[in-house]
Amino acid sequence: GAVVSQHPSWVICKSGTSVKIECRSLDFQATTMFWYRQFPKQSLMLMATSNEGSKATYEQGVEKDKFLINHASLTLSTLTVTSAHPEDSSFYICSARDRTGVKYNSPLHFGNGTRLTVT
Amino acid sequence: QQQVKQSPQSLIVQKGGISIINCAYENTAFDYFPWYQQFPGKGPALLIAIRPDVSEKKEGRFTISFNKSAKQFSLHIMDSQPGDSATYFCAASRGSGNTGKLIFGQGTTLQVKP
Repeated sequence: GAVVSQHPSWVICKSGTSVKIECRSLDFQATTMFWYRQFPKQSLMLMATSNEGSKATYEQGVEKDKFLINHASLTLSTLTVTSAHPEDSSFYICSARDRTGVKYNSPLHFGNGTRLTVT
Repeated sequence: QQQVKQSPQSLIVQKGGISIINCAYENTAFDYFPWYQQFPGKGPALLIAIRPDVSEKKEGRFTISFNKSAKQFSLHIMDSQPGDSATYFCAASRGSGNTGKLIFGQGTTLQVKP
């Protein structure tokens, strides 16, 4: 089945530094990837939609200059948390949908998430 | 209108029992309703999904019931097992192709007691 790989699975960084999270679709191509954030015992909140070859679309309230998204190829999207602060500590999860044949609502596959802790 | 409301927040069921989780939505443009299962420290995994042109879909022990007029849908887990203990999220999206954004419910933590 379709696999989405995220790296790293966890990261600890100091306040003020930047962290890059990678999301790869391993056996399919994805023109669109989605980035979610999840706080403990809460739901997944959509942060942004990453589009291959174009600018990401951010949800209301998400700072685009703080959460930089690059979707350089059909199998890779990256999320960079810039000037991280402790309140950015969270579980970041990416997802992707197989673009083959532009399937109607083909399943959204999720990565295993990245636990970010900012000290 | 973009919200998906899920209940209960938590659920305890005995092994072999039926677990039922409910969701409600407002946006009638939603046309895809999946359920996801999430274990601690992992990403969500798709369990089962339904489109509004059917009222029920069954896959193994998992069944989705869909009531379009009431704008509600539910997940039934038959013969619940301790391995089913996880957090379950309903979701909804609209639009075809690769652009449909998923809006998630608040989640239900299920504990199945042996």
